[in-house]
Amino acid sequence: QKEVEQNSGPLSVPEGAIASLNCTYSDRVSQSFFWYRQYSGKSPELIMSIYSNGDKEDGRFTAQLNKASQYVSLLIRDSQPSDSATYLCAVKDYGQNFVFGPGTRLSVLP
Amino acid sequence: NAGVTQTPKFQVLKTGQSMTLQCAQDMNHNSMYWYRQDPGMGLRLIYYSASEGTTDKGEVPNGYNVSRLNKREFSLRLESAAPSQTSVYFCAIDGGRSYNEQFFGPGTRLTVL
Repeated sequence: QKEVEQNSGPLSVPEGAIASLNCTYSDRVSQSFFWYRQYSGKSPELIMSIYSNGDKEDGRFTAQLNKASQYVSLLIRDSQPSDSATYLCAVKDYGQNFVFGPGTRLSVLP
Repeated sequence: NAGVTQTPKFQVLKTGQSMTLQCAQDMNHNSMYWYRQDPGMGLRLIYYSASEGTTDKGEVPNGYNVSRLNKREFSLRLESAAPSQTSVYFCAIDGGRSYNEQFFGPGTRLTVL
């Protein structure tokens, strides 16, 4: 059974701080990694994808991947109250299936 | 949710009733998926369809059937609803870079009494 683990939170950070979200996965052959943001009552929205080791930056978001440690993280710089949401980590292997983590709830305090 | 629609948005059923959740996409993509989302458990794959006319089981297929009659539509059927099927159901399609990313519809909130 492939697994993706995340701390459920809530993770609370003050406005303007860096929020750090972590994810570990069990399947070594995983190839593609994704971070989704989900607001309460809404569907998941893709915010970052990463395919190779290292960092990938997109605006205030940075995804970090370490395949040797089976670890992927998301950093949100200059956190805003509008970033308050649940963040889902997802992992895909060579096949069709995505495996999602349970999500980490982030709360950015004004 | 541009390109992926789901109906209905909300539904309340009694135990034993049947219903079909509809998903349609206008993006001409091959792969379509049905997930359920329960508190604390993330998204779990029910069924997926790699192309028109093909379907495969996911992690939690029991109690569900699917139909992919054409490229555009992928339906999920509950033949005899149970309270354990109370959940939020999302349809998704592959897209993005090399069709390697998933994009979700707005969801259907189902309550089974």
